[in-house]
Amino acid sequence: DTGVSQNPRHKITKRGQNVTFRCDPISEHNRLYWYRQTLGQGPEFLTYFQNEAQLEKSRLLSDRFSAERPKGSFSTLEIQRTEQGDSAMYLCASSPRGGQGAVGYTFGSGTRLTVV
Amino acid sequence: AQSVAQPEDQVNVAEGNPLTVKCTYSVSGNPYLFWYVQYPNRGLQFLLKYITGDNLVKGSYGFEAEFNKSQTSFHLKKPSALVSDSALYFCAVRDMRGLGGGGNKLTFGTGTQLKVEL
Repeated sequence: DTGVSQNPRHKITKRGQNVTFRCDPISEHNRLYWYRQTLGQGPEFLTYFQNEAQLEKSRLLSDRFSAERPKGSFSTLEIQRTEQGDSAMYLCASSPRGGQGAVGYTFGSGTRLTVV
Repeated sequence: AQSVAQPEDQVNVAEGNPLTVKCTYSVSGNPYLFWYVQYPNRGLQFLLKYITGDNLVKGSYGFEAEFNKSQTSFHLKKPSALVSDSALYFCAVRDMRGLGGGGNKLTFGTGTQLKVEL
């Protein structure tokens, strides 16, 4: 396990379609985060899991967005009825718990979504 | 609300010259501060952090950052820039909100594009 893995790397979809992204964190990390990054902006927090529990969700996460981490390992982020404004890079990150968590977490390479 | 400001969209520097990328923050309580670098079409890579202790923090690839509490700044520096340092740099502050005050959620600045030329 060499890092955080995200699939797919790129996704092009038509407006109104549903898409799902997957994130595999570093195996010993129990915290997992989803961020969204649009062009010219820094990453914006979407949601956070500790093990399988989703502990926080941003107001940016509309009802069309849902994230799961069913067994506390990999996570999925689904966007229903995609809109052009959903086009962005979706980043996943993981971190260990506790004091080590302040080290700064490890990001994946991201999934770039384009809604046409 | 906690926030980070990176006042420069782009910084240009000649190879071999020192570089500085500026960051100021606003946070309640003690800040945890971070710098990340992003190469094209890649995720973010951790460079360095300030948690407590010495105000000068050393990180990866020869980068360092100076924490200044009175100026609420955390500027990124490198004594001698390389062309390979050209990338997008993000400053981030740890957000102490959220369940139990933890979670390590980071708030990022808008990024500064560093361009190092020969």
